[in-house]
Amino acid sequence: GEDVEQSLFLSVREGDSSVINCTYTDSSSTYLYWYKQEPGAGLQLLTYIFSNMDMKQDQRLTVLLNKKDKHLSLRIADTQTGDSAIYFCAESPGSNDYKLSFGAGTTVTVRA
Amino acid sequence: DADVTQTPRNRITKTGKRIMLECSQTKGHDRMYWYRQDPGLGLRLIYYSFDVKDINKGEISDGYSVSRQAQAKFSLSLESAIPNQTALYFCATSAQYSNQPQHFGDGTRLSIL
Repeated sequence: GEDVEQSLFLSVREGDSSVINCTYTDSSSTYLYWYKQEPGAGLQLLTYIFSNMDMKQDQRLTVLLNKKDKHLSLRIADTQTGDSAIYFCAESPGSNDYKLSFGAGTTVTVRA
Repeated sequence: DADVTQTPRNRITKTGKRIMLECSQTKGHDRMYWYRQDPGLGLRLIYYSFDVKDINKGEISDGYSVSRQAQAKFSLSLESAIPNQTALYFCATSAQYSNQPQHFGDGTRLSIL
């Protein structure tokens, strides 16, 4: 989507950390989400963060939010081959709480 | 068993045919959505429904129609399919409260020749 931008590809070595970045334009965004799409499957909700938070950690996943710069990142610690997938950033505007605006997705490839 | 089930998973058809994609959910959610996914474009919203009597157009509704047959069922129709409707289609659901996460089905891959 034009309101949410992500880099298209990321290659990372197994065991390293992956960092996927996302920028958005709607300053009224209330929730920001990360979804994972494995081949042949739908989108799986990984985590989400409310806009009044700076950071959220969930096991190997760390989400950082810089609201001033409208920048969201997802860090995956100890990246495994099962982490190879497309990762989508999405934001939910405060004015229309039904609507998710998605980025184009970042394809993460984990190499041995 | 999947909470959000889409049928069929794959479909190949010809230009001009009418096609229906179906979605059913066991999550008890009131809100249901249809998206299409195209490479490099992310997901775009086609239609959404907040309850059985509520249907709304999304950003790319032209050429599509929907029916909410029950709380658990939401179908998408292409009245006269055209090749640029070839895409991956996803159904999603969410609870009725504001900003609740959306939960997706596994998608229907549709090819129109």
